[in-house]
Amino acid sequence: GAVVSQHPSRVICKSGTSVKIECRSLDFQATTMFWYRQFPKQSLMLMATSNEGSKATYEQGVEKDKFLINHASLTLSTLTVTSAHPEDSSFYICSARDSLEETQYFGPGTRLLVL
Amino acid sequence: QKEVEQDPGPLSVPEGAIVSLNCTYSNSAFQYFMWYRQYSRKGPELLMYTYSSGNKEDGRFTAQVDKSSKYISLFIRDSQPSDSATYLCAMTPPGGSYIPTFGRGTSLIVHP
Repeated sequence: GAVVSQHPSRVICKSGTSVKIECRSLDFQATTMFWYRQFPKQSLMLMATSNEGSKATYEQGVEKDKFLINHASLTLSTLTVTSAHPEDSSFYICSARDSLEETQYFGPGTRLLVL
Repeated sequence: QKEVEQDPGPLSVPEGAIVSLNCTYSNSAFQYFMWYRQYSRKGPELLMYTYSSGNKEDGRFTAQVDKSSKYISLFIRDSQPSDSATYLCAMTPPGGSYIPTFGRGTSLIVHP
């Protein structure tokens, strides 16, 4: 199947700092990428939909100024958590929609811990 | 009522058992149906992908879609301890830019 990578896989940062997470589709072009957040033993929570070359669409309750999303190319989207706080600690997962298929492939996730 | 309903479990079965995982949905526009497997602390992995009604088989896994009942199933034959994970169903309408709707996932435990 298609491969989506995420970097870093885990990050620990101090409160107030910003953290950037990269999501790459390695062997296909993704016009649409999604960013999810997942708390322990909970389902995926969609944060935003990112379309290449345009502004991201955020789900209700997700602060766009806090979670900056950039989708500059067909293979790369980034999520920046700005001024991170301990409550932002979570598992962040991206997914990419293969332009030729009606499905999406997930990255391995990034575990963020804000101290 | 949620668009996609999935029993969170946990579902505990002995090794070798046949496992049946299910989702129901309310939106008749859904045409594409997916099953993902998620191990703890990992991203979901696409297992099966079907379009419209019918069955699809891949090794020990069989995906079944009954659009008339708005019901989808994933069967796992000869279950193994390594199958222990959370299984999420997902579905979408056809075409255009879409946002898949996910079930909350069913936790499966296969014990030796």
